[in-house]
Amino acid sequence: DAGVIQSPRHEVTEMGQEVTLRCKPISGHNSLFWYRQTMMRGLELLIYFNNNVPIDDSGMPEDRFSAKMPNASFSTLKIQPSEPRDSAVYFCASCCHLGQGHQPQHFGDGTRLSIL
Amino acid sequence: GENVEQHPSTLSVQEGDSAVIKCTYSDSASNYFPWYKQELGKGPQLIIDIRSNVGEKKDQRIAVTLNKTAKHFSLHITETQPEDSAVYFCAALSGNTPLVFGKGTRLSVIA
Repeated sequence: DAGVIQSPRHEVTEMGQEVTLRCKPISGHNSLFWYRQTMMRGLELLIYFNNNVPIDDSGMPEDRFSAKMPNASFSTLKIQPSEPRDSAVYFCASCCHLGQGHQPQHFGDGTRLSIL
Repeated sequence: GENVEQHPSTLSVQEGDSAVIKCTYSDSASNYFPWYKQELGKGPQLIIDIRSNVGEKKDQRIAVTLNKTAKHFSLHITETQPEDSAVYFCAALSGNTPLVFGKGTRLSVIA
């Protein structure tokens, strides 16, 4: 199993630009999560999907952030327009195989985003 | 909703000594407690988990204990090695809600 795959691994862009982060979950998982990690705030859950449907987006900081999951094998997190305070590491995680009880989330290696 | 507190935030131990990280949770309905290890430049990786019907679980040098009455659980690492240096996160799961994570513990093992 290739695990959760995120791209790009690093992104540096100027403020005001649109940023798109991508995630491919583990095949067969029915839940997908987007997190943001900073030194100050730790791991923050931004949004999660069950069966491609957004369930809770209360962690999305502003309307500049949006996320989609058009199918079971792909999700995007978009920031438009980006601001320097959006600089962080963004993680995608996926879980679980149906009918197998409690299972952990599996994380990708993240996208390190720097907004200049 | 669930709230998970994790202590200490930083921990330094001598190589070969034991390390203990403690977490408390607030929701008595929580029934699954994983621990993650995050190395530099990587995402958190599951190292051990415990379910609420078990009081203790061990995997080589790593063990986790759970006290449901007191609503706390702990990670124990014995015979620490430099490669154990990382950030460790505890988490709790209640029902169908996402995992709730602690703030993390930065463990440094000094050779």
